[in-house]
Amino acid sequence: EVQLVESGGGLVQPGGSLTLSCAASGFTIGSSWMYWVRQPPGKGLVWVSRINPDGSGIGYEDSVKGRFTISRDSAKNTLYLQMTSLRAEDTGVYYCVKSIIWGQGTLVTVSS
Amino acid sequence: DIVMTQSPDSLAVSLGERATINCKSSQSVFSSSNNRNYLTWYQQKPGQPPKLLIYWASTRESGVPDRFSGSGSGTDFTLTISSLQAEDVAVYYCHQYYSNPIAFGGGTKVEIK
Repeated sequence: EVQLVESGGGLVQPGGSLTLSCAASGFTIGSSWMYWVRQPPGKGLVWVSRINPDGSGIGYEDSVKGRFTISRDSAKNTLYLQMTSLRAEDTGVYYCVKSIIWGQGTLVTVSS
Repeated sequence: DIVMTQSPDSLAVSLGERATINCKSSQSVFSSSNNRNYLTWYQQKPGQPPKLLIYWASTRESGVPDRFSGSGSGTDFTLTISSLQAEDVAVYYCHQYYSNPIAFGGGTKVEIK
């Protein structure tokens, strides 16, 4: 069964850092386009970062460029999102997505 | 990048009546190599992740009630709830996975009139 499990969310102060993890099972993350999708409270879905199978197609949504870094560990079959210089507007549920397969999400709250 | 536009933003329908949600993509999401439209519909209730209802534009996910149906091809798609039930109150999103980056519609909130 294909499954994605996110972790690493929490409460962080503005300007702080956090790293999200997405453990994959049932497939190899290095063989797929993988996304981090964010949903601010009460709002819609927006992709914030993506990585293609060979790693040459890394992309970021404009508001997170220079602050977020996507990566993966093939040995652990895990996707990561390193988030720095966090802002209040980064608050939301972060989902790990492969095509039409979603994780349950992890909540990130940026507040003092 | 493909842009997805959903309408209406919200919809109030009486119990047992039909609800129709539209989704338009800025480019075709149809693949002639396999004759499939790379378009899904999700249902999201408060505090829950999006739940897959329809994929390939018209294929119902296992366990989804048959009152939910998807139609359309190319750039224009529709999600229909044939007889709205109380448990269908939610926000519905369309999503294209034909090309990268993926894109989502803005969502349609369905309520009971």
